[in-house]
Amino acid sequence: DQQVKQNSPSLSVQEGRISILNCDYTNSMFDYFLWYKKYPAEGPTFLISISSIKDKNEDGRFTVFLNKSAKHLSLHIVPSQPGDSAVYFCAASVTSGTYKYIFGTGTRLKVLA
Amino acid sequence: NAGVTQTPKFQVLKTGQSMTLQCAQDMNHNSMYWYRQDPGMGLRLIYYSASEGTTDKGEVPNGYNVSRLNKREFSLRLESAAPSQTSVYFCASSRGDGSYNEQFFGPGTRLTVL
Repeated sequence: DQQVKQNSPSLSVQEGRISILNCDYTNSMFDYFLWYKKYPAEGPTFLISISSIKDKNEDGRFTVFLNKSAKHLSLHIVPSQPGDSAVYFCAASVTSGTYKYIFGTGTRLKVLA
Repeated sequence: NAGVTQTPKFQVLKTGQSMTLQCAQDMNHNSMYWYRQDPGMGLRLIYYSASEGTTDKGEVPNGYNVSRLNKREFSLRLESAAPSQTSVYFCASSRGDGSYNEQFFGPGTRLTVL
């Protein structure tokens, strides 16, 4: 039972254009969401997060949007750069004090120069 | 400041052999985690330790044991390795201070079980 889904295994975008990565979840109790970026042979690194009390959070070129009614979040990267080429994971958690996160399966983004 | 370190980086085992994966963090974090990453499966939580002295099962704990040795160190043990445990293993830590915060990951251990 995949509670956090990233239905696009891969995405290619031209440099300078917008990259949109999507994530869907099934558990309505999730109330905190994160995006991680992973380069080959490295561990994931935190990118941006959003609490369920918000519908948008921005950090430089990265913006995360949350649509609670649709149980959907998206990560927008504008403008996309070749260095953004990586695998992106979304993750979700509930307020339970256990600090556990459920990760999606990842989307491989390739930014073409 | 090393962050989260993992040893070894690579390991090849034969079926039935045992080994321990080591993880240490120097960020004074309370919570630590072990994940495995398999193609098409994302990151799956094996075990976690919300605070020193506690450990709990994650999504895929079968075949593994853990020890939270102290606040800094959290080890993962495979008692009798199986080919299905071929994977990349990541250790992570977080503040675990009652507020939401991100996890910091180590570089991973690539394990092959023949």
